Amino acid sequence: NAGVTQTPKFRVLKTGQSMTLLCAQDMNHEYMYWYRQDPGMGLRLIHYSVGEGTTAKGEVPDGYNVSRLKKQNFLLGLESAAPSQTSVYFCASSYSSRSSGSSYEQYFGPGTRLTVT
Amino acid sequence: GQQLNQSPQSMFIQEGEDVSMNCTSSSIFNTWLWYKQDPGEGPVLLIALYKAGELTSNGRLTAQFGITRKDSFLNISASIPSDVGIYFCAGRSYDYKLSFGAGTTVTVRA
Repeated sequence: NAGVTQTPKFRVLKTGQSMTLLCAQDMNHEYMYWYRQDPGMGLRLIHYSVGEGTTAKGEVPDGYNVSRLKKQNFLLGLESAAPSQTSVYFCASSYSSRSSGSSYEQYFGPGTRLTVT
Repeated sequence: GQQLNQSPQSMFIQEGEDVSMNCTSSSIFNTWLWYKQDPGEGPVLLIALYKAGELTSNGRLTAQFGITRKDSFLNISASIPSDVGIYFCAGRSYDYKLSFGAGTTVTVRA
């Protein structure tokens, strides 16, 4: 049981390049989330998904797109990277309600450190 | 998301000390969560609180859900070197999304 995994762990991009971050979870969680973490700012929600085929905007969605084609995977895309997107990106997942067990407790992956030059 | 005020921003611990940190919000929350993040890793869930007034322990960690539902605290008793890291509080209001505090960085005092 690997929990939440993220690939890649590190990446350096030039301004304007594109890339996709992959998140996978094996806990059969309905909900999945993408956050970015910047120094002194905690975790900010970029996009989230409440089920396969659905996505929604979070607090800081601009410059990012997401897709959830399979329940266990949640992809975060940067179409044209900017230096302001230099950050550490975390994926998380959770059940949808208390009846599912651990309810809204979110479980995090190890993160992807992205640098845009 | 809603802003949570987490304090202190940083603290130094000496082995064996008890330490405390807290989070406050201007809004009511239905769930409070406490996470710890080690360098280069993702946050790991320490304690989850679901009811106002609830006091929950996990080993040397104790957390409480404030009666007003607008605050929570985390205590670490008899701290050890591996307690260093960043501790985050997170609150959930009426949907499933969490709001996070900015974190408390715990460092060992030399």
